[in-house]
Amino acid sequence: EAAVTQSPRNKVAVTGGKVTLSCNQTNNHNNMYWYRQDTGHGLRLIHYSYGAGSTEKGDIPDGYKASRPSQENFSLILELATPSQTSVYFCASGDPDWGIYEQYFGPGTRLTVL
Amino acid sequence: GDSVTQMQGQVTLSEDDFLFINCTYSTTWYPTLFWYVQYPGEGPQLLLKVTTANNKGISRGFEATYDKGTTSFHLQKASVQESDSAVYYCVLGGTQVVGQLTFGRGTRLQVYA
Repeated sequence: EAAVTQSPRNKVAVTGGKVTLSCNQTNNHNNMYWYRQDTGHGLRLIHYSYGAGSTEKGDIPDGYKASRPSQENFSLILELATPSQTSVYFCASGDPDWGIYEQYFGPGTRLTVL
Repeated sequence: GDSVTQMQGQVTLSEDDFLFINCTYSTTWYPTLFWYVQYPGEGPQLLLKVTTANNKGISRGFEATYDKGTTSFHLQKASVQESDSAVYYCVLGGTQVVGQLTFGRGTRLQVYA
């Protein structure tokens, strides 16, 4: 069965440090997404990608970069981590069907920035 | 831009109770609406999709419809089970950015045996 995996599953980082969250999908989907989940906010879109080499800003991109080196891999990069970036991060993949389609989510990465 | 309002933060029921969760949405285009469910320790997964107003989406005993007139959509189940305990998200399918999903805040459902 097609899958989205994330690594690491848990991460503790220090303020000002660099953090890289990785996502791999075997769905062969063109689009991939990074969200963060916080109590009271649901899931909010940080960055997304239409394919290898493409990255686009979502609704809350400040403080985050993204990289899509291949169809399968999509990374989220925090160059200078801050405590406000403590959250659970989800990666997802999907493939458009005239604009409306579902997304398949990974299990999440819990990031704590001290 | 697109937005979704999900007011019920927590719902507590007993087994065999009726479930009803309501959301409202705002968009300038024709919406497709989803319900996603998230179990503890997992990512969200699709529960239901509704592409046409007043038509039902049905899955695993859950039903969903939306009303264009009131820009509302809801999820219901006639008889919940303890295994239905999870967080339920109403989600608006992207109308401005292809494939983008806009999530509501989520409703945590706790069902007691």
